Amino acid sequence: GQNIDQPTEMTATEGAIVQINCTYQTSGFNGLFWYQQHAGEAPTFLSYNVLDGLEEKGRFSSFLSRSKGYSYLLLKELQMKDSASYLCAGVDSNYQLIWGAGTKLIIKP
Amino acid sequence: IAGITQAPTSQILAAGRRMTLRCTQDMRHNAMYWYRQDLGLGLRLIHYSNTAGTTGKGEVPDGYSVSRANTDDFPLTLASAVPSQTSVYFCASSDRDNTGELFFGEGSRLTVL
Repeated sequence: GQNIDQPTEMTATEGAIVQINCTYQTSGFNGLFWYQQHAGEAPTFLSYNVLDGLEEKGRFSSFLSRSKGYSYLLLKELQMKDSASYLCAGVDSNYQLIWGAGTKLIIKP
Repeated sequence: IAGITQAPTSQILAAGRRMTLRCTQDMRHNAMYWYRQDLGLGLRLIHYSNTAGTTGKGEVPDGYSVSRANTDDFPLTLASAVPSQTSVYFCASSDRDNTGELFFGEGSRLTVL
């Protein structure tokens, strides 16, 4: 079956760095998304990786290793507003999105 | 700039009643989607439409129907609501297939009693 695994919850300190991991098992692979979702709000797009390597966007970076079925989202210089859930989603060979349950990130002062 | 608008924002509904969740986008996106989000589970696709006039079933289509008469509107209908349909429903759109960024509406919180 197809599956996306990510930790349920993580805690980090304001100003620090946190890495949120995601492993995927999909039938075929056409890329991986990260979305941010604040409580009570809609998900918003963060990144899309289809090739191996690290892509950086300001304080956020996303990494992909297709051979390992693995991705991570790296958040630097954490701010209180980064408290949110982070959703990992893989695109399978039929271009269907397979979503993880999300990682709730709690930022402490 | 509206993006995607969903209505209603929140609704409490008696079991057995019919309910339509409305979704309108002004980005002229071809693809539109309906998801439900439940605690502890990932987003689950209910129905989708790749272009006006066509629809398809997602992962959890039972008890739901959709129509896509034009590019902008994609309503979701619960013909006879059941308590298990209590959830937060998100409408989304994309300018291409699932390798494109999804734009989500603000969600409709539905409670079926």
